[in-house]
Amino acid sequence: DTEVTQTPKHLVMGMTNKKSLKCEQHMGHRAMYWYKQKAKKPPELMFVYSYEKLSINESVPSRFSPECPNSSLLNLHLHALQPEDSALYLCASSQDGWTFFGQGTRLTVV
Amino acid sequence: KQEVTQIPAALSVPEGENLVLNCSFTDSAIYNLQWFRQDPGKGLTSLLLIQSSQREQTSGRLNASLDKSSGRSTLYIAASQPGDSATYLCAVRRAPGTYKYIFGTGTRLKVLA
Repeated sequence: DTEVTQTPKHLVMGMTNKKSLKCEQHMGHRAMYWYKQKAKKPPELMFVYSYEKLSINESVPSRFSPECPNSSLLNLHLHALQPEDSALYLCASSQDGWTFFGQGTRLTVV
Repeated sequence: KQEVTQIPAALSVPEGENLVLNCSFTDSAIYNLQWFRQDPGKGLTSLLLIQSSQREQTSGRLNASLDKSSGRSTLYIAASQPGDSATYLCAVRRAPGTYKYIFGTGTRLKVLA
């Protein structure tokens, strides 16, 4: 199994809503990532978890809150987002340099 | 600060052509470099991984080379096919203990049937 699974695939939320993005991998990778990608731009790193501990936070606003419940799961909790937060959110995991990405969640904030 | 640039930004070629995509980085102190492809609205698929001690890697019709001293990597695609149409991204990683990849600006490739 070389898959990173993200749910949901699409999400529309209002600026006062609370929602969560989920990511799962069963490859035994101990590093997991959240990236944000705007149209026609490269992915921008948001957070990195290493061995279930947050190791990198790229100065992301507190309305994004990551969580790593166990070595296979990664969540991104969303609250009070702004329309400019609309983007493709990508989860990834890595081992020995190889990085595997999920198919992403297309988020629209209205 | 590491900056990664890809040229050209977009490329359109007829089916069957061999082509080269370029990736340049400003800091030669890298740990490894990966090439990815991304289909529209989808996630990234890892194509090739080159460690800093390696000069090239091959997978099927793809060949990636790395010249650290000049800060360049190239991705060679042989006998291009319409299914190769996608955006190709390179990404460099500075050190083994860091998890941060710096992505290039990408090359949008269209292979015409």
